[in-house]
Amino acid sequence: DGGITQSPKYLFRKEGQNVTLSCEQNLNHDAMYWYRQDPGQGLRLIYYSQIVNDFQKGDIAEGYSVSREKKESFPLTVTSAQKNPTAFYLCASETSGGSTDTQYFGPGTRLTVL
Amino acid sequence: GQNIDQPTEMTATEGAIVQINCTYQTSGFNGLFWYQQHAGEAPTFLSYNVLDGLEEKGRFSSFLSRSKGYSYLLLKELQMKDSASYLCAVMDSNYQLIWGAGTKLIIKP
Repeated sequence: DGGITQSPKYLFRKEGQNVTLSCEQNLNHDAMYWYRQDPGQGLRLIYYSQIVNDFQKGDIAEGYSVSREKKESFPLTVTSAQKNPTAFYLCASETSGGSTDTQYFGPGTRLTVL
Repeated sequence: GQNIDQPTEMTATEGAIVQINCTYQTSGFNGLFWYQQHAGEAPTFLSYNVLDGLEEKGRFSSFLSRSKGYSYLLLKELQMKDSASYLCAVMDSNYQLIWGAGTKLIIKP
């Protein structure tokens, strides 16, 4: 089955610790995205990548980092510099960036920082 | 600035019809998407409109008026499983999606 997987579904971390969220897709999509979802707000773009070994900052990149070493994988690291990291994180992929293709989402990771 | 507005919450009765509105102001327009999101789950794609008019897909239809910056999602023959949040998103001139906060739809028996 083709799809997008994110792990883990729930993640708890202590304040001041870095944490890495996994996102893998086997849809052969070129473009991948990371969003953050908070109650009462629309999805906000953190980082996106249109091709392997290249990525761009979104609207709220501060305190986050990413890598895109493989087409299938786009991990997100939430660093200790992120002031309010508790949120629902969604990864998405798309056939190719810079187009009107549909974005497909993974199941999400709910991060709680204690 | 860019802005997407949709009602925060709506309530409807099982078997009825409900219309969820979305108005937008964006820098450029490359289409409007509707997604459904059940609580704690991933958004799933419902529809895409880029030309004016109505697109029908089973019980769900989506309408677009570009001149008015307006869209709606129409859900017919409501079922309990339709209880979810409905997200409106507009693709701007840079092919980035700008998202509304979502409309939580509550279906009552």
